[in-house]
Amino acid sequence: EDQVTQSPEALRLQEGESSSLNCSYTVSGLRGLFWYRQDPGKGPEFLFTLYSAGEEKEKERLKATLTKKESFLHITAPKPEDSATYLCAVQAQAYAGGTSYGKLTFGQGTILTVHP
Amino acid sequence: NAGVTQTPKFQVLKTGQSMTLQCAQDMNHNSMYWYRQDPGMGLRLIYYSASEGTTDKGEVPNGYNVSRLNKREFSLRLESAAPSQTSVYFCASNYRGGDYEQYFGPGTRLTVT
Repeated sequence: EDQVTQSPEALRLQEGESSSLNCSYTVSGLRGLFWYRQDPGKGPEFLFTLYSAGEEKEKERLKATLTKKESFLHITAPKPEDSATYLCAVQAQAYAGGTSYGKLTFGQGTILTVHP
Repeated sequence: NAGVTQTPKFQVLKTGQSMTLQCAQDMNHNSMYWYRQDPGMGLRLIYYSASEGTTDKGEVPNGYNVSRLNKREFSLRLESAAPSQTSVYFCASNYRGGDYEQYFGPGTRLTVT
């Protein structure tokens, strides 16, 4: 069974204080690992996809990395507007009626609060 | 481009009532998904449609039915609502199955009393 565990559950930072969020996973046949940002009352917003160990991707103050067992979301010099819940999900390849679909398994998320 | 849209945004039902949640996407995506999000449980897949004309059960399908009306639209129906179905429901879509990120709608907050 695919499993995703995110830590910490909640993280409070001061503006400018860099830190990392962790996503540990077990999955049969990883096709991709996804990071999403979710603001209160809104749907998840896509951030990154990582496909293989050693891969890194960056967007503004965020950098995502991937190993064979976990992924990290590094936040450099965060600002209050980075406050959100960050979700990690792994995708295994699956088929239904001969057509592939994305079977996503989500972690419970890390609630990030950045204080000014 | 509106992306993924969902209606309604909020709904309150009494136990035993029925309703349909609507979802539409304008990104020409082939695959569509319905999730529910509960505190401490994360997002869980209810049903999905890998392509137009096909639907199948996800992790938590009991109490729900779906219809892929056409390539753009995918609806979720609660035939007889129960308090355990109180949740936030998200529709998502992606280009085609694996390897492609899913894009989510804004959600429907459903309360069943």
